[in-house]
Amino acid sequence: DTGVSQNPRHKITKRGQNVTFRCDPISEHNRLYWYRQTLGQGPEFLTYFQNEAQLEKSRLLSDRFSAERPKGSFSTLEIQRTEQGDSAMYLCASSLGDSRQPQHFGDGTRLSIL
Amino acid sequence: TQLLEQSPQFLSIQEGENLTVYCNSSSVFSSLQWYRQEPGEGPVLLVTVVTGGEVKKLKRLTFQFGDARKDSSLHITAAQPGDTGLYLCAGAGTGGFKTIFGAGTRLFVKA
Repeated sequence: DTGVSQNPRHKITKRGQNVTFRCDPISEHNRLYWYRQTLGQGPEFLTYFQNEAQLEKSRLLSDRFSAERPKGSFSTLEIQRTEQGDSAMYLCASSLGDSRQPQHFGDGTRLSIL
Repeated sequence: TQLLEQSPQFLSIQEGENLTVYCNSSSVFSSLQWYRQEPGEGPVLLVTVVTGGEVKKLKRLTFQFGDARKDSSLHITAAQPGDTGLYLCAGAGTGGFKTIFGAGTRLFVKA
């Protein structure tokens, strides 16, 4: 399978703990995106990488959130000191070239904060 | 702020009926995508439209991009239970990289 891969698929943790998610994009895609999706809503943009450079961060991304893509391949999204409101599906997508190219999504990591 | 509004939010129909889902904005998009998402999975791309007035067909699904590239519609002919899912439209702005998603139309097709 050469699609976008996300790990873990599910994460349950206690409030205040740190969590890290991983995304492996389609190998030839230079753009990588992170989104958050809550029940009944469409995905909300969090951040975007072109190769290893993080070019934009949403105001939704508080200072407890950090994302990296160190070698321009896989990416990690870390949430520190998790809060109840962080419970959501975290989706990763990748694409080629410019914003007109469609994004291909992974199946997400569902985060539940107890 | 660019926004995409989808309507209806929820649609429940009988197998064999036709339906149309709408995606509207006051902003111009350089391209627009339609995705379908099933519970517990990521959105799956159905189509990309880039030219104003463009019409694309995918089996029983017909997608149209408005002439001004501000709106789009998805028409499904003779809906089947397998069409059940969340249909999302997403637009790429003319000036940047960001893709904006609508809140989706949740379709349920009863057998």
